[in-house]
Amino acid sequence: NAGVTQTPKFQVLKTGQSMTLQCAQDMNHNSMYWYRQDPGMGLRLIYYSASEGTTDKGEVPNGYNVSRLNKREFSLRLESAAPSQTSVYFCASSEVGTSDETQYFGPGTRLLVL
Amino acid sequence: DQQVKQNSPSLSVQEGRISILNCDYTNSMFDYFLWYKKYPAEGPTFLISISSIKDKNEDGRFTVFLNKSAKHLSLHIVPSQPGDSAVYFCAASAPGSARQLTFGSGTQLTVLP
Repeated sequence: NAGVTQTPKFQVLKTGQSMTLQCAQDMNHNSMYWYRQDPGMGLRLIYYSASEGTTDKGEVPNGYNVSRLNKREFSLRLESAAPSQTSVYFCASSEVGTSDETQYFGPGTRLLVL
Repeated sequence: DQQVKQNSPSLSVQEGRISILNCDYTNSMFDYFLWYKKYPAEGPTFLISISSIKDKNEDGRFTVFLNKSAKHLSLHIVPSQPGDSAVYFCAASAPGSARQLTFGSGTQLTVLP
């Protein structure tokens, strides 16, 4: 039972390049989330998916797109990376609407955009 | 506009003593509060939570207190251990919208042996 897994662990991009961050969970959770964490700041929500087939913008969605591929997988895409997107990205999942709505996080992807 | 604030970026305590981490919020719609612990190069790990219908929740050495009138919550760790040294984030959510979390900026706790 791996919980939430993320790939890659670390990536370096040049400005303008694209990439997709992958996230998968094996807890059969209905909701999944993407956050970014910058130095001295808390985690900020980029996008979330309340259930399979739905996605919604969070606090900082500009420059990102997401896909809820199936119940297990939720990917985050940077179409044209910018240095301002240098950050650590965390994926999380939860079972909303039950007695335990706790969000469980993956280990993170460190992204450096040059 | 920060809806969840942790005003102390860092806190140092002696091993065996109590650690008290504080968090304030402004959104009166928040009804569920959580504390996460984060080690370097790892994801946040859930520690303890509290619903707005309670004012206290305990789990071993960890206790969270909620003061709704003051819009304030605190995490008490007793006794503190060196392994507790980490960044602690408080987070809050409101009903609906998939329970999206709003995080504070974190407090670095250092427990000195």
